[in-house]
Amino acid sequence: DAGVIQSPRHEVTEMGQEVTLRCKPISGHNSLFWYRQTMMRGLELLIYFNNNVPIDDSGMPEDRFSAKMPNASFSTLKIQPSEPRDSAVYFCASSFRLAPDTQYFGPGTRLTVL
Amino acid sequence: DQQVKQNSPSLSVQEGRISILNCDYTNSMFDYFLWYKKYPAEGPTFLISISSIKDKNEDGRFTVFLNKSAKHLSLHIVPSQPGDSAVYFCAASGTSYDKVIFGPGTSLSVIP
Repeated sequence: DAGVIQSPRHEVTEMGQEVTLRCKPISGHNSLFWYRQTMMRGLELLIYFNNNVPIDDSGMPEDRFSAKMPNASFSTLKIQPSEPRDSAVYFCASSFRLAPDTQYFGPGTRLTVL
Repeated sequence: DQQVKQNSPSLSVQEGRISILNCDYTNSMFDYFLWYKKYPAEGPTFLISISSIKDKNEDGRFTVFLNKSAKHLSLHIVPSQPGDSAVYFCAASGTSYDKVIFGPGTSLSVIP
Protein backbone atom coordinates (compact mmCIF):
# COMPACT_ATOMS: atom_id res chain seq x y z
CA ASP A 1 0.00 0.00 0.00
CA ALA A 2 1.43 3.38 -0.99
CA GLY A 3 -0.06 5.19 1.97
CA VAL A 4 -1.48 8.68 1.80
CA ILE A 5 0.06 10.60 -1.08
CA GLN A 6 0.45 14.34 -1.04
CA SER A 7 1.70 16.65 -3.75
CA PRO A 8 3.67 18.73 -4.07
CA ARG A 9 6.05 17.97 -1.20
CA HIS A 10 7.36 21.51 -1.26
CA GLU A 11 5.79 24.66 -2.64
CA VAL A 12 7.28 28.12 -2.72
CA THR A 13 5.08 30.90 -4.01
CA GLU A 14 4.68 34.62 -3.82
CA MET A 15 2.09 36.45 -1.82
CA GLY A 16 -1.15 36.81 -3.71
CA GLN A 17 -0.74 33.68 -5.79
CA GLU A 18 -3.15 30.76 -5.74
CA VAL A 19 -1.88 27.56 -4.17
CA THR A 20 -3.42 24.11 -4.58
CA LEU A 21 -2.38 21.18 -2.42
CA ARG A 22 -3.39 17.68 -3.40
CA CYS A 23 -4.07 14.48 -1.51
CA LYS A 24 -4.76 10.91 -2.46
CA PRO A 25 -6.08 8.92 0.51
CA ILE A 26 -5.51 5.24 1.13
CA SER A 27 -7.83 3.13 -0.98
CA GLY A 28 -10.87 2.04 1.00
CA HIS A 29 -10.66 4.84 3.53
CA ASN A 30 -13.83 6.91 3.71
CA SER A 31 -12.67 9.79 5.90
CA LEU A 32 -10.16 12.45 4.97
CA PHE A 33 -8.64 15.15 7.12
CA TRP A 34 -6.58 18.27 6.36
CA TYR A 35 -4.24 19.57 9.08
CA ARG A 36 -1.82 22.46 9.29
CA GLN A 37 1.31 22.50 11.42
CA THR A 38 2.97 25.73 12.50
CA MET A 39 5.47 26.53 15.21
CA MET A 40 3.03 28.83 16.95
CA ARG A 41 -0.12 26.71 16.86
CA GLY A 42 1.15 23.18 16.49
CA LEU A 43 -1.05 20.75 14.55
CA GLU A 44 -4.52 22.08 13.76
CA LEU A 45 -7.44 20.33 12.07
CA LEU A 46 -8.67 22.47 9.20
CA ILE A 47 -11.47 20.38 7.71
CA TYR A 48 -12.55 16.77 7.41
CA PHE A 49 -14.70 14.80 5.01
CA ASN A 50 -16.67 11.61 5.46
CA ASN A 51 -17.76 9.76 2.33
CA ASN A 52 -16.61 12.78 0.28
CA VAL A 53 -18.90 15.17 2.18
CA PRO A 54 -17.39 18.00 4.26
CA ILE A 55 -18.45 17.42 7.87
CA ASP A 56 -16.65 20.12 9.83
CA ASP A 57 -14.78 23.06 8.34
CA SER A 58 -14.68 25.15 11.49
CA GLY A 59 -10.90 24.98 11.50
CA MET A 60 -10.53 26.65 8.13
CA PRO A 61 -8.91 29.96 9.03
CA GLU A 62 -10.45 32.25 6.43
CA ASP A 63 -12.49 32.37 3.28
CA ARG A 64 -9.23 32.31 1.38
CA PHE A 65 -9.08 28.61 2.21
CA SER A 66 -11.27 26.07 0.47
CA ALA A 67 -11.23 22.28 0.23
CA LYS A 68 -12.93 19.83 -2.05
CA MET A 69 -13.25 16.10 -2.34
CA PRO A 70 -14.75 15.34 -5.75
CA ASN A 71 -14.35 11.58 -5.31
CA ALA A 72 -13.14 9.00 -2.84
CA SER A 73 -9.57 9.05 -4.15
CA PHE A 74 -8.76 12.74 -4.37
CA SER A 75 -8.95 15.93 -2.36
CA THR A 76 -7.59 19.45 -2.78
CA LEU A 77 -6.90 22.30 -0.39
CA LYS A 78 -6.75 25.67 -2.11
CA ILE A 79 -5.52 28.98 -0.78
CA GLN A 80 -6.41 32.04 -2.80
CA PRO A 81 -4.82 34.51 -2.44
CA SER A 82 -1.94 33.19 -0.38
CA GLU A 83 -0.27 35.23 2.35
CA PRO A 84 3.09 34.83 4.15
CA ARG A 85 1.29 33.75 7.35
CA ASP A 86 -0.04 30.72 5.46
CA SER A 87 3.49 29.30 5.44
CA ALA A 88 3.29 25.96 7.22
CA VAL A 89 3.33 22.23 6.68
CA TYR A 90 -0.03 20.92 5.52
CA PHE A 91 -0.88 17.30 6.24
CA CYS A 92 -3.57 15.15 4.79
CA ALA A 93 -4.75 12.06 6.68
CA SER A 94 -7.25 9.35 5.91
CA SER A 95 -9.02 6.67 7.91
CA PHE A 96 -11.54 3.91 7.36
CA ARG A 97 -13.70 5.09 10.22
CA LEU A 98 -14.06 8.19 12.31
CA ALA A 99 -11.65 7.05 14.98
CA PRO A 100 -8.47 9.01 15.57
CA ASP A 101 -6.25 5.99 16.12
CA THR A 102 -7.01 4.84 12.59
CA GLN A 103 -5.81 8.01 10.90
CA TYR A 104 -2.86 7.61 8.56
CA PHE A 105 -1.00 10.78 7.73
CA GLY A 106 0.69 11.70 4.49
CA PRO A 107 4.21 13.12 4.45
CA GLY A 108 2.96 16.68 4.26
CA THR A 109 3.42 19.64 1.93
CA ARG A 110 5.75 22.37 3.12
CA LEU A 111 4.35 25.67 1.88
CA THR A 112 6.39 28.84 1.86
CA VAL A 113 4.71 32.08 0.84
CA LEU A 114 7.16 34.88 0.21
CA ASP B 1 -6.81 29.12 23.81
CA GLN B 2 -5.08 25.76 23.56
CA GLN B 3 -7.18 22.89 24.84
CA VAL B 4 -4.26 20.46 24.80
CA LYS B 5 -0.97 21.68 26.21
CA GLN B 6 2.52 20.27 26.17
CA ASN B 7 4.55 22.68 28.21
CA SER B 8 7.94 21.18 27.45
CA PRO B 9 8.97 21.98 23.87
CA SER B 10 11.96 19.66 24.16
CA LEU B 11 13.43 16.89 26.30
CA SER B 12 16.80 15.13 26.30
CA VAL B 13 17.29 11.71 27.84
CA GLN B 14 20.16 9.26 27.96
CA GLU B 15 19.73 5.97 26.15
CA GLY B 16 18.37 3.29 28.47
CA ARG B 17 16.76 5.75 30.85
CA ILE B 18 13.08 6.60 31.16
CA SER B 19 11.53 9.35 29.04
CA ILE B 20 8.47 11.05 30.50
CA LEU B 21 6.44 13.34 28.28
CA ASN B 22 3.64 15.33 29.86
CA CYS B 23 0.37 16.69 28.56
CA ASP B 24 -2.43 18.74 30.12
CA TYR B 25 -5.89 19.40 28.79
CA THR B 26 -8.61 21.83 29.69
CA ASN B 27 -11.77 20.38 28.15
CA SER B 28 -13.50 17.95 30.53
CA MET B 29 -15.55 16.60 27.59
CA PHE B 30 -12.51 14.90 26.13
CA ASP B 31 -13.03 11.15 26.28
CA TYR B 32 -10.15 9.64 24.37
CA PHE B 33 -6.49 10.51 24.41
CA LEU B 34 -3.71 9.64 22.01
CA TRP B 35 -0.01 10.02 21.47
CA TYR B 36 1.50 10.39 18.02
CA LYS B 37 5.12 10.25 17.01
CA LYS B 38 6.58 12.28 14.17
CA TYR B 39 9.94 11.97 12.46
CA PRO B 40 11.32 14.81 10.30
CA ALA B 41 9.84 15.00 6.80
CA GLU B 42 7.17 12.44 7.68
CA GLY B 43 3.61 12.65 8.87
CA PRO B 44 2.65 11.80 12.46
CA THR B 45 2.00 8.15 13.22
CA PHE B 46 -0.29 6.83 15.92
CA LEU B 47 1.59 5.44 18.92
CA ILE B 48 -0.74 4.63 21.80
CA SER B 49 -4.09 5.71 23.16
CA ILE B 50 -6.17 5.58 26.32
CA SER B 51 -9.85 5.84 27.01
CA SER B 52 -11.11 8.00 29.86
CA ILE B 53 -12.43 4.90 31.64
CA LYS B 54 -8.85 3.73 32.19
CA ASP B 55 -5.92 5.23 34.00
CA LYS B 56 -3.16 3.24 32.34
CA ASN B 57 -2.45 1.61 29.02
CA GLU B 58 0.73 -0.23 28.17
CA ASP B 59 2.20 -1.32 24.84
CA GLY B 60 5.70 -2.68 25.02
CA ARG B 61 8.08 0.06 26.07
CA PHE B 62 5.33 2.68 25.95
CA THR B 63 2.89 3.37 28.76
CA VAL B 64 0.34 6.14 28.94
CA PHE B 65 -1.06 7.28 32.28
CA LEU B 66 -4.23 9.32 32.65
CA ASN B 67 -5.20 11.39 35.69
CA LYS B 68 -8.67 12.70 34.91
CA SER B 69 -9.07 14.72 38.08
CA ALA B 70 -5.90 16.63 37.23
CA LYS B 71 -6.65 16.66 33.50
CA HIS B 72 -3.18 15.34 32.94
CA LEU B 73 -1.65 12.50 30.99
CA SER B 74 1.88 11.32 30.48
CA LEU B 75 3.75 9.03 28.16
CA HIS B 76 6.53 6.88 29.61
CA ILE B 77 9.13 5.27 27.38
CA VAL B 78 11.27 2.64 29.07
CA PRO B 79 14.01 2.03 28.15
CA SER B 80 14.56 4.96 25.80
CA GLN B 81 16.34 4.22 22.55
CA PRO B 82 17.98 6.57 20.01
CA GLY B 83 15.29 5.62 17.49
CA ASP B 84 12.72 7.16 19.82
CA SER B 85 14.11 10.60 19.00
CA ALA B 86 11.16 12.37 17.42
CA VAL B 87 8.43 14.91 18.09
CA TYR B 88 5.63 13.51 20.23
CA PHE B 89 2.14 14.96 19.97
CA CYS B 90 -0.48 14.53 22.63
CA ALA B 91 -4.04 14.58 21.27
CA ALA B 92 -7.59 14.33 22.56
CA SER B 93 -11.06 13.79 21.19
CA GLY B 94 -14.63 13.68 22.40
CA THR B 95 -17.00 10.74 22.38
CA SER B 96 -17.73 11.19 18.69
CA TYR B 97 -14.05 10.55 18.01
CA ASP B 98 -14.16 12.59 14.85
CA LYS B 99 -12.39 15.78 15.80
CA VAL B 100 -8.93 15.41 17.27
CA ILE B 101 -7.25 18.30 19.07
CA PHE B 102 -3.48 18.15 19.08
CA GLY B 103 -0.98 19.66 21.44
CA PRO B 104 2.01 21.61 20.12
CA GLY B 105 4.40 18.68 20.50
CA THR B 106 7.51 17.83 22.50
CA SER B 107 10.77 17.10 20.74
CA LEU B 108 12.51 14.14 22.38
CA SER B 109 16.21 13.51 21.90
CA VAL B 110 17.62 10.24 23.16
CA ILE B 111 21.36 10.52 23.52
CA PRO B 112 23.42 7.35 22.90
